[in-house]
Amino acid sequence: RKEVEQDPGPFNVPEGATVAFNCTYSNSASQSFFWYRQDCRKEPKLLMSVYSSGNEDGRFTAQLNRASQYISLLIRDSKLSDSATYLCVVNSNSGYALNFGKGTSLLVTP
Amino acid sequence: SQTIHQWPATLVQPVGSPLSLECTVEGTSNPNLYWYRQAAGRGLQLLFYSVGIGQISSEVPQNLSASRPQDRQFILSSKKLLLSDSGFYLCAWSPLGVGGSDTQYFGPGTRLTVL
Repeated sequence: RKEVEQDPGPFNVPEGATVAFNCTYSNSASQSFFWYRQDCRKEPKLLMSVYSSGNEDGRFTAQLNRASQYISLLIRDSKLSDSATYLCVVNSNSGYALNFGKGTSLLVTP
Repeated sequence: SQTIHQWPATLVQPVGSPLSLECTVEGTSNPNLYWYRQAAGRGLQLLFYSVGIGQISSEVPQNLSASRPQDRQFILSSKKLLLSDSGFYLCAWSPLGVGGSDTQYFGPGTRLTVL
């Protein structure tokens, strides 16, 4: 089983729509969780950390379900500029490495 | 504020040639440093990490090596490139500490094509 698994998509949604991505992870001892955003041919950039209690940043909401070992990202009122690949990231056993999912591609259309 | 630089931005090299990619971080001291590779259609793969000068840990055995000659400088090298070394090479840093628990910040990357 892969460390971090994501649906690759693509998710094609119209502007203003709400879209949700899920991600599952295999290491039940993981303590740190993140969502990164990666634009085409660019470096990944931190979107938000994911806390046990869930957290919200504007139109973005992240949730963590430890029992089921999955993380979710909800984007409300999608903008054209939200089009990107969203990477689910979980820390590894080593304590230094981060395990990255392959990403979920989002395309927001006019 | 902290910034991370990588160069070159793009590189085309023949098979069997050497490689040297450089990464430098500004605005922080004693960072943890990382080299990742992202091959086409694949996720990011951690290649090396370093918690201090001269301290290098390898995550994946391969024909690449890394060095950290200065606190904020991280170098990725190869003596002889293979076709399979093509990819997007990303350097990242995180604050001193248990690096995997801290957010990692990425440089702009080097896109390497081996022909």
